[in-house]
Amino acid sequence: KAGVTQTPRYLIKTRGQQVTLSCSPISGHRSVSWYQQTPGQGLQFLFEYFSETQRNKGNFPGRFSGRQFSNSRSEMNVSTLELGDSALYLCASSLGGLRFYNEQFFGPGTRLTVL
Amino acid sequence: DQQVKQNSPSLSVQEGRISILNCDYTNSMFDYFLWYKKYPAEGPTFLISISSIKDKNEDGRFTVFLNKSAKHLSLHIVPSQPGDSAVYFCAASEGGSGNTGKLIFGQGTTLQVKP
Repeated sequence: KAGVTQTPRYLIKTRGQQVTLSCSPISGHRSVSWYQQTPGQGLQFLFEYFSETQRNKGNFPGRFSGRQFSNSRSEMNVSTLELGDSALYLCASSLGGLRFYNEQFFGPGTRLTVL
Repeated sequence: DQQVKQNSPSLSVQEGRISILNCDYTNSMFDYFLWYKKYPAEGPTFLISISSIKDKNEDGRFTVFLNKSAKHLSLHIVPSQPGDSAVYFCAASEGGSGNTGKLIFGQGTTLQVKP
């Protein structure tokens, strides 16, 4: 079974621009979660989507948004980029919903650099 | 307020010996715990998990112990191998079908296994 895939793997943007990252979950997984990893803050939860609905949200500003499509693929968008948004953005998928506990499986991440 | 803490940033162990990685949490609502291993430039890889109804879970060389009264869990790797050298993250969630998509991570412990 193919794992979680993320595109692009690397991205360089300038301040003020916006960016869209894409994530394809493991086949059959309906939940997609997004995380930001930085050296100072570690791995922080951004939001989770399940059946095209945002089910959980972390403590990030409204510039960070996402969506999920009917095939469970997900995108996250960051508008008005700031230098501090430079990070590794990780997507994780899980079965979601049908089981009480679900392991999350991560993709390789998208490395975003904001200049 | 860091709800999941890994107080040891690094650990060095000789090959063949036991590695013990520790994790503490403060949120008593957490009832599902996971360990991930991460290599540079890759996403975290799921290792093992445990729910709060258990106090031990084993999978090959990996065993996770949970002490709910102390809000403490540990990961034991026996025997340790050089390929185990990586950053290990402890993560927790409140469980339930509505919360499985949100993991709270510790800051990580870098394990070095010396040949």
